Amino acid sequence: KAGVTQTPRYLIKTRGQQVTLSCSPISGHRSVSWYQQTPGQGLQFLFEYFSETQRNKGNFPGRFSGRQFSNSRSEMNVSTLELGDSALYLCASSVRQGLNSPLHFGNGTRLTVT
Amino acid sequence: DQQVKQNSPSLSVQEGRISILNCDYTNSMFDYFLWYKKYPAEGPTFLISISSIKDKNEDGRFTVFLNKSAKHLSLHIVPSQPGDSAVYFCAANNQGGKLIFGQGTELSVKP
Repeated sequence: KAGVTQTPRYLIKTRGQQVTLSCSPISGHRSVSWYQQTPGQGLQFLFEYFSETQRNKGNFPGRFSGRQFSNSRSEMNVSTLELGDSALYLCASSVRQGLNSPLHFGNGTRLTVT
Repeated sequence: DQQVKQNSPSLSVQEGRISILNCDYTNSMFDYFLWYKKYPAEGPTFLISISSIKDKNEDGRFTVFLNKSAKHLSLHIVPSQPGDSAVYFCAANNQGGKLIFGQGTELSVKP
């Protein structure tokens, strides 16, 4: 069974630009979550989607948005990029929404903002 | 507000000895706890979990202990192997669909 696939693996953008990251969950998984990983901060929750609806949202500004398609694939968009947005962005899928369903993570997209 | 804290950024252990990774939390509503392991250039992988109705869960070389009164959990790895060298994250869930992670502890197991 294929794992969670994130594209692209690496991305370099300049301040003020916008970026879209893509995530394909494990087949049959309907829940997709996004996390930001920065040194010293661990993994910060961005949002979770289930059945094309955002079910949970973390404490990030509105510049961070996402969506989920009918095939459970998800995209995350960051507009007006700032230097502090440089991070590893991780997507995770699970069989069902929230609760205690273990997350299966992709290898992430490393975003560098210059 | 860091609700889940791993106060040790790094830990070094000799091969064959026990590794103990610690995690503290502040929210008493958390009722499910998980440990993830992360190698460089890879996403975290699920390791072991424990429900708040238990105080211990064991899976092979890995055991997680939960002390609810102290709001503390720990992961024991016995015996430690060089392949265990990775960053370990603890995480907590309060049924709200949002997993809260700690900052991570980098474990180095030396041969």
